[in-house]
Amino acid sequence: KAGVTQTPRYLIKTRGQQVTLSCSPISGHRSVSWYQQTPGQGLQFLFEYFSETQRNKGNFPGRFSGRQFSNSRSEMNVSTLELGDSALYLCASSAGLVGPDTQYFGPGTRLTVL
Amino acid sequence: AQTVTQSQPEMSVQEAETVTLSCTYDTSENNYYLFWYKQPPSRQMILVIRQEAYKQQNATENRFSVNFQKAAKSFSLKISDSQLGDTAMYFCAFTNYGGSQGNLIFGKGTKLSVKP
Repeated sequence: KAGVTQTPRYLIKTRGQQVTLSCSPISGHRSVSWYQQTPGQGLQFLFEYFSETQRNKGNFPGRFSGRQFSNSRSEMNVSTLELGDSALYLCASSAGLVGPDTQYFGPGTRLTVL
Repeated sequence: AQTVTQSQPEMSVQEAETVTLSCTYDTSENNYYLFWYKQPPSRQMILVIRQEAYKQQNATENRFSVNFQKAAKSFSLKISDSQLGDTAMYFCAFTNYGGSQGNLIFGKGTKLSVKP
């Protein structure tokens, strides 16, 4: 099976712009989770989507949003970018079973905000 | 709130030797999974090993094994016969049933260097 893919791999934006990141999960996986990774804060959970519905959300401002399509592909949007949004954004997919589940990660999108 | 603590920011080991990475966690839940993920310098996060809390037997995957002490809330990773390719950041992570579905809680990571 193909792994989790993320596009683009690298992105440079300026403050105030918005950005959309894409994630394609492993075939058959219905859950997609997004994480932000920074040197200072480490890995932080953004949100999780399952069957086109946001099932869980981390503690991030409303500028961070996402959605999931019927084919389980997910997009994450960040509006009004700030310098502090520079990070590696990782998405992970899982089967989405009830209960603990194993998540498999994509290579990430490196976002730089200037 | 659940937390995961990795007390060793950096470690090094000689090739072919054994190293143990520490992880402790805090939760009031009884049903959960624990994971060790590896993130090499290329940045792809890779699952190393998984442990279900209800299983008493420690998980093993080839050269990787864990020492799971549920009462002590400890979950250490042992790497035997270390190889240069084991050089990476290692993250301990926790997830449980219920409201935190899809939410992995990570430790800050341990940077492991394997020296020739």
